[in-house]
Amino acid sequence: QVQLQESGPGLVKPSQTLSLTCTVPGGSISSVPYYWTWIRQHPGKGLEWIGHIYYSGSAYYNPSLKSRVTISLDTSKNQFSLNLGSVTAADTAMYYCARSPAEYLQHWGQGTLVTVSS
Amino acid sequence: DIQMTQSPSTLSASVGDRVTITCRASQSISTWLAWYQQKPGKAPNLLIYKASSLESGVPSRFAGSGSGTEFTLTISSLQPDDFATYYCQQYNNSPYNFGQGTKLEIK
Repeated sequence: QVQLQESGPGLVKPSQTLSLTCTVPGGSISSVPYYWTWIRQHPGKGLEWIGHIYYSGSAYYNPSLKSRVTISLDTSKNQFSLNLGSVTAADTAMYYCARSPAEYLQHWGQGTLVTVSS
Repeated sequence: DIQMTQSPSTLSASVGDRVTITCRASQSISTWLAWYQQKPGKAPNLLIYKASSLESGVPSRFAGSGSGTEFTLTISSLQPDDFATYYCQQYNNSPYNFGQGTKLEIK
């Protein structure tokens, strides 16, 4: 079973940037044709696709967040990252990373809760 | 954006029952649909992809069908471990939206 692991601050102040990292076990993140995806889930709510980056580096974002979000690969650390700027309380959620050979979501991390509060 | 609508939102059933959850897309998505199961406090788990392909390790009592705009997830004989929330997701066009979820409860 593939074990992805999210990490990052659990508390972010309003207007700041939320930065999370997903560590990927095993082989190189940029040499195998996978999609690396971020998803979030507001407390007690459904799932929201944030965006993904393909192993080649091409990234696609949800238009509802596009102006504030960046997903990137760090090949030296075999990680991929999420940056979400200008956060508000509405960005409080469980954030998941996932990996898949196509645009569905085959393997998920356990998730990390991020709270936006002063 | 493609909107995904699941029905019902909540479903009460008993162990051994056959249950069906429906997912409708606001426009055709061919067979680019996945189904996930989520238990409280856990990440979702992939059950079905490409509308009817069973993910490795998923019990055969789970089955998906459909194409175009209407899809179903059927559990042939409910087991105690199946009581959870189920989500569909389209991956035909970005953003790859999810349905709102169907909570399967014990009757």
